[in-house]
Amino acid sequence: NAGVTQTPKFQVLKTGQSMTLQCAQDMNHEYMSWYRQDPGMGLRLIHYSVGAGITDQGEVPNGYNVSRSTTEDFPLRLLSAAPSQTSVYFCASSYVSSFNEQFFGPGTRLTVL
Amino acid sequence: KNEVEQSPQNLTAQEGEFITINCSYSVGISALHWLQQHPGGGIVSLFMLSSGKKKHGRLIATINIQEKHSSLHITASHPRDSAVYICAVAPSGGGADGLTFGKGTHLIIQP
Repeated sequence: NAGVTQTPKFQVLKTGQSMTLQCAQDMNHEYMSWYRQDPGMGLRLIHYSVGAGITDQGEVPNGYNVSRSTTEDFPLRLLSAAPSQTSVYFCASSYVSSFNEQFFGPGTRLTVL
Repeated sequence: KNEVEQSPQNLTAQEGEFITINCSYSVGISALHWLQQHPGGGIVSLFMLSSGKKKHGRLIATINIQEKHSSLHITASHPRDSAVYICAVAPSGGGADGLTFGKGTHLIIQP
């Protein structure tokens, strides 16, 4: 099993550009989530999904969109990148909910100039 | 919103020492996670617990639901234990919402 995979590992964008961070898991997990990690802030929840076709907002959703068309994939879209979105992004999955053991992807380091 | 506090923020110890990292939270939870983040950035799950105590090798995690407090202990610490240790809580009521994280404890074990 590959576990949770994320692409790309690194990305540099200019302000106003859009892009999609990819996240995929091969463990048949229902629950998937996106977090951002900033120095001194800890990890913060952006969006999460409890199954295909179901998504919800987390603590810091502004500027990000998600969709969940399949169980395996949970992409995160930045519609118009801003310097405040410079961060490290982690995708995670678990069997059913945040109550279960979490499996994290390797992260994407994003810089917005 | 649950407030999750970890202490200490930074800890430097000598190899072989017994290490304790603390986590407290403000609102009732369904589960608490201890995570480890190595300098390379990857995050791995160490424990998930909702009551009592769990042990895995040299790591022990305990939780006191009434006091809203958890501790992570490392016995016979080793330089390879150097990492950031993160506490995260899952909300009560089914856990459909995401985790709330502490800011982490940066642990350095010197040989």
